[in-house]
Amino acid sequence: QQQVKQSPQSLIVQKGGISIINCAYENTAFDYFPWYQQFPGKGPALLIAIRPDVSEKKEGRFTISFNKSAKQFSLHIMDSQPGDSATYFCAASKGGGFKTIFGAGTRLFVKA
Amino acid sequence: DVKVTQSSRYLVKRTGEKVFLECVQDMDHENMFWYRQDPGLGLRLIYFSYDVKMKEKGDIPEGYSVSREKKERFSLILESASTNQTSMYLCASSSPGGEGTEAFFGQGTRLTVV
Repeated sequence: QQQVKQSPQSLIVQKGGISIINCAYENTAFDYFPWYQQFPGKGPALLIAIRPDVSEKKEGRFTISFNKSAKQFSLHIMDSQPGDSATYFCAASKGGGFKTIFGAGTRLFVKA
Repeated sequence: DVKVTQSSRYLVKRTGEKVFLECVQDMDHENMFWYRQDPGLGLRLIYFSYDVKMKEKGDIPEGYSVSREKKERFSLILESASTNQTSMYLCASSSPGGEGTEAFFGQGTRLTVV
């Protein structure tokens, strides 16, 4: 089965610090790599996404770094805030997104 | 504001019952999905549909079926509920291909089978 491996399972960061979540994939046919953010009691929502033709994408405090040769990508949250406390899922899909494969999720807690 | 709406936030059902989970989207999306979410396992795809009356098995279809009679509505059916189907169920929709492969999720249905 195609997998996306995500680590760590949980993460505690001080306010103002950098949160880093890593993912690795197996299938080189994947062409879309989104990150979803989920708050308690809510469904996941798209946070930021990248395609493999670029190595980095930045939106505000959130950055995806993508290493195609290593088949790895990561989410960096700069200046982490308590409001960023949520579960983050990396994902990968190909050709229309019919089957998006999700990582196991990372529970981030930002201490005030 | 785009919306995917699941009919129930919480459900408690008995073992052996037939359970229906309903999902409606207002974005005219072709694709609709049912996932279950379990701690440490992430989101696992149960079934998806790319058109009315069309359905495809996901990674864990056993014990489930689906129905899509109208474009905006996608139903998940537990034929005979079992305790190992206690989980959070998430419905999602998306438009096909190109740049628009973002999935929009509902708020989830937490199902407990007793």
